[in-house]
Amino acid sequence: EDQVTQSPEALRLQEGESSSLNCSYTVSGLRGLFWYRQDPGKGPEFLFTLYSAGEEKEKERLKATLTKKESFLHITAPKPEDSATYLCAVQALTGANSKLTFGKGITLSVRP
Amino acid sequence: NAGVTQTPKFQVLKTGQSMTLQCAQDMNHEYMSWYRQDPGMGLRLIHYSVGAGITDQGEVPNGYNVSRSTTEDFPLRLLSAAPSQTSVYFCASSLAGTGRFSPLHFGNGTRLTVT
Repeated sequence: EDQVTQSPEALRLQEGESSSLNCSYTVSGLRGLFWYRQDPGKGPEFLFTLYSAGEEKEKERLKATLTKKESFLHITAPKPEDSATYLCAVQALTGANSKLTFGKGITLSVRP
Repeated sequence: NAGVTQTPKFQVLKTGQSMTLQCAQDMNHEYMSWYRQDPGMGLRLIHYSVGAGITDQGEVPNGYNVSRSTTEDFPLRLLSAAPSQTSVYFCASSLAGTGRFSPLHFGNGTRLTVT
């Protein structure tokens, strides 16, 4: 069974204090790993897709990396507007082409 | 572009009532899906469709029905609401799910309370 574990559950940072969010996964062959951002009362918004170990993607203050067992979302010099819940999801090579397994999310709060 | 539109935004039902959650997308996406999001749990797939006339069950399909008569619309029907169906429901769509999976575009959700 595919599993995704995100840690920590919640993270409080001071503005400018860089940190990393972790997504550990177990999957029978990885087709892709996805990062989403979710604001309160909104649907998740797509950030990145990673396909193979060693791959990295960047967008503004966010950088996502991937190994064979986990992915990190690095946040450099965060601002209060980066406060949100960050979701990680994986899709396996086998099984239903459409099935994503989501983690529970990490709630990030950035204080001014 | 409107993207994925869900209605209603909020709904309160009594146990045993039925209702339909509406979802429409204007991006000509072939793939559409319904998820539920509960506190302390990840998003869980209820039903999905890879094109008009084709639907399949996800991880938690019991108590829900879907149909896909057009590319744009993918309604979710609760047959006889139960308190366990209290949740936030998200509709999501993407380009055809063959080969590498295209990112999902989510609606803003329907908050359902069953009393």
